[in-house]
Amino acid sequence: EVQLVQSGAEVKKPGESLKISCKGFGYSFSTYWIAWVRQMPGKGLEWMGIIYPGDSDTRYSPSFQGQVTISADKSISTAYLQWSGLKASDSAMYYCARQQYKSGIGWFDPWGQGTLVTVSS
Amino acid sequence: DIQMTQSPSSLSASVGDRVIITCRAGHRISNYLNWYQQKPGKAPKLLISAASSLQSGVPSRFSGGGSETDFTLTITGLQSEDFGTYYCQQTYSAPEVTFGGGTKVEIK
Repeated sequence: EVQLVQSGAEVKKPGESLKISCKGFGYSFSTYWIAWVRQMPGKGLEWMGIIYPGDSDTRYSPSFQGQVTISADKSISTAYLQWSGLKASDSAMYYCARQQYKSGIGWFDPWGQGTLVTVSS
Repeated sequence: DIQMTQSPSSLSASVGDRVIITCRAGHRISNYLNWYQQKPGKAPKLLISAASSLQSGVPSRFSGGGSETDFTLTITGLQSEDFGTYYCQQTYSAPEVTFGGGTKVEIK
């Protein structure tokens, strides 16, 4: 079964750093893009960025460029999302998702279960 | 980036009703349009890809249509388990993508 398993919930203080993970199972991790999506409390889905683990090609949404870093270690089938100085406004649920293609058209499937990040003093 | 506008933002309908959710793209995107369902506390789930291709295991009461800038998700015969929030997503500009703002469906 193809699945993405994310790391557990985190509670951090403003200014702290954080790295959350997304591990792929049941497929060739290196050959599919992995996206990160933010969902703030009670709000919609926001695409943050995406990485191709095969060569670490990474793209960011302009809204998140410089605010987070996306990386991947294909040897352990894991993608990461990290912050160097968290803010209260980073409190949200974060999802990873695999971008799949057919006939040139892409979609996200499957999704990880989500990682809840809470930033509070 | 390509803006995606969904309407309505919320709706309340009865079991058995036909529900239509629309999604408008700010740029012609052919059929590079997907629909997701999200239930409270859960990750989104892919329902329809490429505007009209129903995913395996998704009930046939769900259907998608449209092309270029105007798309619809139709639920024919709403069921109680269809509550949740529905999102459209364009992947025309992949790997950069955008989501619509979501439509919350409540059961009367």
